[in-house]
Amino acid sequence: NAGVTQTPKFQVLKTGQSMTLQCAQDMNHEYMSWYRQDPGMGLRLIHYSVGAGITDQGEVPNGYNVSRSTTEDFPLRLLSAAPSQTSVYFCASSYEAVGTGELFFGEGSRLTVL
Amino acid sequence: GDSVTQMEGPVTLSEEAFLTINCTYTATGYPSLFWYVQYPGEGLQLLLKATKADDKGSNKGFEATYRKETTSFHLEKGSVQVSDSAVYFCALSDWGGTSYGKLTFGQGTILTVHP
Repeated sequence: NAGVTQTPKFQVLKTGQSMTLQCAQDMNHEYMSWYRQDPGMGLRLIHYSVGAGITDQGEVPNGYNVSRSTTEDFPLRLLSAAPSQTSVYFCASSYEAVGTGELFFGEGSRLTVL
Repeated sequence: GDSVTQMEGPVTLSEEAFLTINCTYTATGYPSLFWYVQYPGEGLQLLLKATKADDKGSNKGFEATYRKETTSFHLEKGSVQVSDSAVYFCALSDWGGTSYGKLTFGQGTILTVHP
């Protein structure tokens, strides 16, 4: 059971570079989301999607882009990396809108922006 | 907007001690409440949940009761083990409020259990 798979696990970027964090799930979940985890701040929602072709902004969307062309994949793009985007990023999915369901998380991607 | 406040950490306990991690929330609608656990080097996983007032969630010896009158969802375990060392997150999802379809997390509480 693969569950939610994130790549890469670690990445170092220079300020201004762009990159894509990949997320794939094999559970046929409609709901997918991206969070960032920073010390003392818990997890904050960046973007989410309730199905293929549908995305919406979360709490901290600036500097990030997403698209959802298939049910399985939900990539997160950093357009022009900044040191403030140094964080651990988690992708999560759920079989239903998250109100009563369980979120399944990937193992995280640790990003450092120099 | 919705928010979750957890007790400050880190929390350090000896094995077999009693654990309480406090969690209070504010919400404008009808929240469901969750505790997630993150073991070192891993993603978060659901520990327990409660979807309405007075519900008790339980799993792996952990319990939490949804108290609407005190807007709380405190996590408890009667006897902790070294393997319980992790970061614990309280979270809510508010169907009727502004955070529809989204989980709002607390800041996390680091628990370390010594033999």
